[in-house]
Amino acid sequence: GENVEQHPSTLSVQEGDSAVIKCTYSDSASNYFPWYKQELGKRPQLIIDIRSNVGEKKDQRIAVTLNKTAKHFSLHITETQPEDSAVYFCAASIPEYGNKLVFGAGTILRVKS
Amino acid sequence: DAGVIQSPRHEVTEMGQEVTLRCKPISGHNSLFWYRQTMMRGLELLIYFNNNVPIDDSGMPEDRFSAKMPNASFSTLKIQPSEPRDSAVYFCASRPGLEGHEQFFGPGTRLTVL
Repeated sequence: GENVEQHPSTLSVQEGDSAVIKCTYSDSASNYFPWYKQELGKRPQLIIDIRSNVGEKKDQRIAVTLNKTAKHFSLHITETQPEDSAVYFCAASIPEYGNKLVFGAGTILRVKS
Repeated sequence: DAGVIQSPRHEVTEMGQEVTLRCKPISGHNSLFWYRQTMMRGLELLIYFNNNVPIDDSGMPEDRFSAKMPNASFSTLKIQPSEPRDSAVYFCASRPGLEGHEQFFGPGTRLTVL
């Protein structure tokens, strides 16, 4: 079955610096890759997603890149701010199972001011 | 739109008791998912429904867990009997359909089994 690995498990950056979180997946049929942000005690919320027919997508300070050949995708946050501190989860869809999502283990991002 | 609604938000119970968690998906969404989140195992998919029919229950840990979706606007996840290792946050999420990919999460139910 699909396996999604996420690195690093924790990431600490200085305010204003960039943060990069990487994920790899195993099922070459996966075609949808969302990123969720979860603040402490809150629900996961979608911040950006990318589909397999696109290599890069950007939304203000957040961008996601996808390399289908290598089966990895990354989240890039530029000009980090304290409110970016949260747990970030990547996920990959499994088309043969109704596009259910398999989540990575999560990355705890801490932005120091 | 009120979003996905879950109840109760917190539940504390004793080992051996029956626990029922409830979820109301976003109106018009055809797919509903139940997840469990713990520090050790992360975010795990337990079961998901499409058009009220269970599609994949391979994540349900054991027979003590059961889920139903009697209609398009309501689902339950039941644990009977509950055990301390069932303590976790249980999220319900809904999605427009098989083609719509984004999943919208509810606020979760924090379950503590003593």
